[in-house]
Amino acid sequence: DAGVIQSPRHEVTEMGQEVTLRCKPISGHNSLFWYRQTMMRGLELLIYFNNNVPIDDSGMPEDRFSAKMPNASFSTLKIQPSEPRDSAVYFCASRGTGGTEAFFGQGTRLTVV
Amino acid sequence: GDSVTQMEGPVTLSEEAFLTINCTYTATGYPSLFWYVQYPGEGLQLLLKATKADDKGSNKGFEATYRKETTSFHLEKGSVQVSDSAVYFCALTLYNTNAGKSTFGDGTTLTVKP
Repeated sequence: DAGVIQSPRHEVTEMGQEVTLRCKPISGHNSLFWYRQTMMRGLELLIYFNNNVPIDDSGMPEDRFSAKMPNASFSTLKIQPSEPRDSAVYFCASRGTGGTEAFFGQGTRLTVV
Repeated sequence: GDSVTQMEGPVTLSEEAFLTINCTYTATGYPSLFWYVQYPGEGLQLLLKATKADDKGSNKGFEATYRKETTSFHLEKGSVQVSDSAVYFCALTLYNTNAGKSTFGDGTTLTVKP
């Protein structure tokens, strides 16, 4: 298995633009997580899906952020409009049914200028 | 709520030194405990885990024992190498409550010098 696949690996965008981050979880996994990592705030859970349904989105910072999981093999995290303070590394992770550990993708480094 | 507290870093050691990174947790139930490692430019990857009290997780010379009485899961390695330089995260997951959400510590940066 190729593991959790995120795209793009790097994204540089101008303030006010829409940004879409993509994630393909490991096949057969039924839980998917989006995290944001910054030096100041560490690793933050943004949203968590189970069987494609959002279970906990309390970590989504504001309405500019939205996440979808239209099927078991794909999820997106969208920021519209983007702001410089959104600059961070965004990780997607997935976990299997009955599994105990999460598997992380390599992350998308987002820079908003 | 659930929380994980890790020893603050950064930690700098010489090669072959003994490593301890402290981790304590607060949880409303009986969590599974994990140590993840993050190398530069990469995502987190599982280092070791323990799913019940008194279990010892081990991998690549690292060990941690699930201590329910002290709510701790300290990471240890007897002799570190330069290649162990990374950020280490302690985490817990509760599967019967809180919908299986994981809680991570703030991470501890380890630098090993030759």
